[in-house]
Amino acid sequence: EDKVVQSPLSLVVHEGDTVTLNCSYEVTNFRSLLWYKQEKKAPTFLFMLTSSGIEKKSGRLSSILDKKELSSILNITATQTGDSAIYLCAVEAGTASKLTFGTGTRLQVTL
Amino acid sequence: SAVISQKPSRDICQRGTSLTIQCQVDSQVTMMFWYRQQPGQSLTLIATANQGSEATYESGFVIDKFPISRPNLTFSTLTVSNMSPEDSSIYLCSVAFGLFSYEQYFGPGTRLTVT
Repeated sequence: EDKVVQSPLSLVVHEGDTVTLNCSYEVTNFRSLLWYKQEKKAPTFLFMLTSSGIEKKSGRLSSILDKKELSSILNITATQTGDSAIYLCAVEAGTASKLTFGTGTRLQVTL
Repeated sequence: SAVISQKPSRDICQRGTSLTIQCQVDSQVTMMFWYRQQPGQSLTLIATANQGSEATYESGFVIDKFPISRPNLTFSTLTVSNMSPEDSSIYLCSVAFGLFSYEQYFGPGTRLTVT
């Protein structure tokens, strides 16, 4: 059975801090890894990673995949209160684009 | 990406009844999916909605409980049948555009409470 594990489960930081969120996976026929931000109901797409070692960047957020270690990290620099959310990691594996989600990391950024 | 809408955005239903959730996309998409997120849990895939044919259900989900329709490339419905309090969840549709590797985008979700 495909498995995705995220750590830490929750995190409280001060505004301006840098955070690193982790995602590890055990799946059959890996295709891609996706990161989402969930603030209320709908997860918002952040990154899709397919190749090892290539960093994807969007503003203060960046992410990289390590296929050898079966893991990915999501970095957020100079955190703001608006970054407070649950960050979800999902892995696409096998056929038909099935996504397996991790339980998420709840990030709280305080003033 | 695309604009994805879901109706209703929330509902409170009595046990034993059924609710149909609609998902509408403003452009044609390759794939449409339905997910459930139970309180405090992550997302679980219910099924892949196939255009013009029966949906493909994941283990633990059956057509009698969660009938799905997808009459065209922009619209799908999920029905939660004979509801019980355990069905209280957020239900989300997602869409993907690619042919070989997919970025999935989610609709705004439907928060269902069953009393």
